[in-house]
Amino acid sequence: GAVVSQHPSRVICKSGTSVKIECRSLDFQATTMFWYRQFPKQSLMLMATSNEGSKATYEQGVEKDKFLINHASLTLSTLTVTSAHPEDSSFYICSARPRRAPRTDTQYFGPGTRLTVL
Amino acid sequence: RKEVEQDPGPFNVPEGATVAFNCTYSNSASQSFFWYRQDCRKEPKLLMSVYSSGNEDGRFTAQLNRASQYISLLIRDSKLSDSATYLCVVNSNSGYALNFGKGTSLLVTP
Repeated sequence: GAVVSQHPSRVICKSGTSVKIECRSLDFQATTMFWYRQFPKQSLMLMATSNEGSKATYEQGVEKDKFLINHASLTLSTLTVTSAHPEDSSFYICSARPRRAPRTDTQYFGPGTRLTVL
Repeated sequence: RKEVEQDPGPFNVPEGATVAFNCTYSNSASQSFFWYRQDCRKEPKLLMSVYSSGNEDGRFTAQLNRASQYISLLIRDSKLSDSATYLCVVNSNSGYALNFGKGTSLLVTP
């Protein structure tokens, strides 16, 4: 149980295009989903926290107009990178916090999406 | 100062060796502590939670020192399959989101 999927797993796009990444909790409801970004040889950095039915909370330095997050249901959150540029190339990972979690800090990670912007 | 700091390594050890990783965190209000393992180009996977009393899971032992804000991971009898990056993770002020260290790279050689 507790599986989180991400789609696509890998995307290559031209500079200026928008890319949508989906994060789904497959066998549980997630009240909160987190979006992280990881550059090569760097740590995972939290970008934003999204709660179902409400606006996402963005971390300092993350542009909310560039990284659009929608958490429309208890099993799906999407991250759209608008007008992507080469510096947005990174590994984007989501995690989901179950509605009924054994611990408040329980999170299950998706397999990540590798974005390359040419 | 970064919230979670780790020695990036790499640690190159022979099979069967014992290796220890250390981590320090800056937020004294942090409540939860973990070690995650991340293989190349993959998502992080929870290895173990870390408790003040110390905890052991097979060949892995984790310790937490709240006074020094220090976390450790000990791996005994290293296997080739232990080669990975080990991430020290601490919960954030919000209580839910996680702060990740950069990770310590381990390479176990035959």
